[in-house]
Amino acid sequence: SQTIHQWPATLVQPVGSPLSLECTVEGTSNPNLYWYRQAAGRGLQLLFYSVGIGQISSEVPQNLSASRPQDRQFILSSKKLLLSDSGFYLCAWTRGTTHLVGNTIYFGEGSWLTVV
Amino acid sequence: QQPVQSPQAVILREGEDAVINCSSSKALYSVHWYRQKHGEAPVFLMILLKGGEQKGHDKISASFNEKKQQSSLYLTASQLSYSGTYFCGTGNTGNQFYFGTGTSLTVIP
Repeated sequence: SQTIHQWPATLVQPVGSPLSLECTVEGTSNPNLYWYRQAAGRGLQLLFYSVGIGQISSEVPQNLSASRPQDRQFILSSKKLLLSDSGFYLCAWTRGTTHLVGNTIYFGEGSWLTVV
Repeated sequence: QQPVQSPQAVILREGEDAVINCSSSKALYSVHWYRQKHGEAPVFLMILLKGGEQKGHDKISASFNEKKQQSSLYLTASQLSYSGTYFCGTGNTGNQFYFGTGTSLTVIP
């Protein structure tokens, strides 16, 4: 069966410090991978998605970047965190197909980031 | 591109019914429904793939009106465990997956 893990689960970082959140998927190959952010009491904002190694699409201009160094590994990074980067970050995956019409999206456990 | 949900929040007593609506300005190819408890990842409830489809399990069901670009989630005889935030979601041919604005549902005894 397929599983998805992300870490760390909780992070408190000072403004201006770097960030690295990591996500891995097991039990499948060539998945589509996603990073979402959820501010407190808000909805899920799509940040990045990837359909293959080295292929990253950004949804909104921001202080963050994403990389996919391996097929089932997705990393969210920042060189200098801002207070507005605080939130709940979720990694997710779907089966790798050419479109998402019938795919279900599965989430990791989430990472709480507080920038102080 | 984000679907809009209504209402934003609803409070129910146990046993009452609720309807959550999801509307998109673009064609919905499919609709997914998720429930999220505070501090946890969203959990998949169901997917509807074509216009006119209705689906359900236990006392939670959903409909998909493809022509109107809308979907509705129906919660019948609500239980305390139904509390959480409900999101609709939609995928497209471009591999993006967007979630709705969310509806906070609170069931009280």
